[in-house]
Amino acid sequence: DTAVSQTPKYLVTQMGNDKSIKCEQNLGHDTMYWYKQDSKKFLKIMFSYNNKELIINETVPNRFSPKSPDKAHLNLHINSLELGDSAVYFCASSAGATSTDTQYFGPGTRLTVL
Amino acid sequence: GEDVEQSLFLSVREGDSSVINCTYTDSSSTYLYWYKQEPGAGLQLLTYIFSNMDMKQDQRLTVLLNKKDKHLSLRIADTQTGDSAIYFCAAGGYNKLIFGAGTRLAVHP
Repeated sequence: DTAVSQTPKYLVTQMGNDKSIKCEQNLGHDTMYWYKQDSKKFLKIMFSYNNKELIINETVPNRFSPKSPDKAHLNLHINSLELGDSAVYFCASSAGATSTDTQYFGPGTRLTVL
Repeated sequence: GEDVEQSLFLSVREGDSSVINCTYTDSSSTYLYWYKQEPGAGLQLLTYIFSNMDMKQDQRLTVLLNKKDKHLSLRIADTQTGDSAIYFCAAGGYNKLIFGAGTRLAVHP
């Protein structure tokens, strides 16, 4: 059983398009995250939701909109895609919302914007 | 703001020990983590240490924490080719983790 899953694994699209990435966790966790990993492997948090409520919103363009329909799902919608959005996007989850709660990561979605 | 720094590359011979170092700035970090990322894969939690501990050992892995210097290290004993990966150090702020840039470990025969 995959604990944190993401779809799609690869996403290739043109500039200006709108796309979504889905994430699901079956760990019963309350908190979910989106991270962006750039080409230099630098990993940075984008958003965090706890019980469907947004608790972390880093300096991310408002073209990025997370949506959490329930505790087990956190989707990421990106409008008007730009070249600089090309990266690997990781979803993660943890039992609670503090940094003492271990985060478990999904396999990543590699987004390529042409 | 909070920062976590790691050296970018480490090359070791198979069978030797590897030591990956990390420094962090947030003295309030409660937990410190090591994650491993293999090519094309997500991050896998390797181990973590609570800030009131100096050392934690888990099979081939030993984590050392010098809280005064805000220095964390991960030692891998008897390094194998399967250990080749990127290793990320992460420090826990109140409600988020700050990751280092990752250390790419290359293991050669």
